[in-house]
Amino acid sequence: QKEVEQDPGPLSVPEGAIVSLNCTYSNSAFQYFMWYRQYSRKGPELLMYTYSSGNKEDGRFTAQVDKSSKYISLFIRDSQPSDSATYLCAMSAGTTDSWGKLQFGAGTQVVVTP
Amino acid sequence: NAGVTQTPKFQVLKTGQSMTLQCAQDMNHEYMSWYRQDPGMGLRLIHYSVGAGITDQGEVPNGYNVSRSTTEDFPLRLLSAAPSQTSVYFCASSYSGKGTQYFGPGTRLLVL
Repeated sequence: QKEVEQDPGPLSVPEGAIVSLNCTYSNSAFQYFMWYRQYSRKGPELLMYTYSSGNKEDGRFTAQVDKSSKYISLFIRDSQPSDSATYLCAMSAGTTDSWGKLQFGAGTQVVVTP
Repeated sequence: NAGVTQTPKFQVLKTGQSMTLQCAQDMNHEYMSWYRQDPGMGLRLIHYSVGAGITDQGEVPNGYNVSRSTTEDFPLRLLSAAPSQTSVYFCASSYSGKGTQYFGPGTRLLVL
């Protein structure tokens, strides 16, 4: 069983809709949670970074972490065709023996249609 | 500030050949990592380094070697290429070991 599970999609939504993405994980030691966006044939780029539980908002993006349920989410409001990409969740325990290592989900492909 | 750079962008190898994938960063980051990305598998850690002269194995290290002689460079060596090593390889660096990593553009490798 993978430590981080993520539905691969594809998830197709009309322009202007809310995109809802999520990951579940099994390692209760994870404390640092990230969402990366990856366009086709490009490297992942960091979208959101959160520590421990709670919400974080940045423009059209909102990240939520529920450590009690081992569940994280990313919401994209007012989605645009330029949001079409693969979204990867990643997480880390932040302990000395995990420094420099991230556990990734498989990524969810999102397609926003005009 | 170029960030994380990788060369080559694309490479074709024959089974048994060796090669080195280059990675460099100009952000003075201590932490550097190599990942491979395969369809449906996400990113898997191959090797990582917490500073010059210090490296360790990740989740899928077999068939790969690394060294870190400077803060800036972290090359990945394929000793004897196999078709199973066909993948997209990403190098990443971070200032802190706790999370945020910055990725290079990737190297697409095809082993025939």
